[in-house]
Amino acid sequence: KAGVTQTPRYLIKTRGQQVTLSCSPISGHRSVSWYQQTPGQGLQFLFEYFSETQRNKGNFPGRFSGRQFSNSRSEMNVSTLELGDSALYLCASSFLSPGVTNTGELFFGEGSRLTVL
Amino acid sequence: AQSVTQPDIHITVSEGASLELRCNYSYGATPYLFWYVQSPGQGLQLLLKYFSGDTLVQGIKGFEAEFKRSQSSFNLRKPSVHWSDAAEYFCAVGAFQGGSEKLVFGKGTKLTVNP
Repeated sequence: KAGVTQTPRYLIKTRGQQVTLSCSPISGHRSVSWYQQTPGQGLQFLFEYFSETQRNKGNFPGRFSGRQFSNSRSEMNVSTLELGDSALYLCASSFLSPGVTNTGELFFGEGSRLTVL
Repeated sequence: AQSVTQPDIHITVSEGASLELRCNYSYGATPYLFWYVQSPGQGLQLLLKYFSGDTLVQGIKGFEAEFKRSQSSFNLRKPSVHWSDAAEYFCAVGAFQGGSEKLVFGKGTKLTVNP
C-alpha cells in the first residue's frame, strides 16, 4: 500500500507570491491533517479535513488555507508569502470511520520544504 | 491547553548504551500519547502509542515507553542503542477539539549515536 505522497518535495518562492502544496493520503484514509515544522516553533498544527470538510484549524493567519477533494486528496495554499513561512510542511492521513474515536495514529508524508526568499 | 515538554534538546549516547528520552505532558483528561521519530529529510514515523491499559507499551525498533500519570510523563526507552537510531524524536499528545483530533508535539530531542 502506497504511503502519503506530497508534492512538490522542494520549492523556492519569493515574498508576496503564493504556493499550493498537494497531499495524496493512503488509500482508504479519509482524514488529512497538515502541520508546519520550523526549527524555532517545532511542529504546529495547521488544519484537518475529513470528507471535504475542515473540522479543525490551528492558530495560523488566514493566508493559510486548504481544501480536500472527494477522493480525499488535499491541497494547502499559502498566499502573500513571508520569509517566516519557510518551513517543512507535513501532511498526515489517518483512517476514520464516522462515530469511531480517532486513534490518533497519523501516517506522515515526507513533506514539502518551502523556502521563501 | 494541552502541551508537551521534552526537556532535552540534544542527547548523545554511545552505540550499545541504554537510552531514555523524557517527555512531560499537560492534558486535562486521560491522554493519548505518542512517540514519533524523524530521520533527516524524512517525515515522521510512529514508534509507539498509549491509549489505555498497560502503562508500559512496546513499539517498533525495540523501543518502549512507560506512562506515569502521577508524574505526567511518558518517557521513551531503549536498552541498547544502534547507530541507525540517530534521529529526532518527538513526543505528542492527542487533543480532541471540535470533533476531530490534532496532535500537540513537543519540540523534539535530537539523538546522536557515537560509534
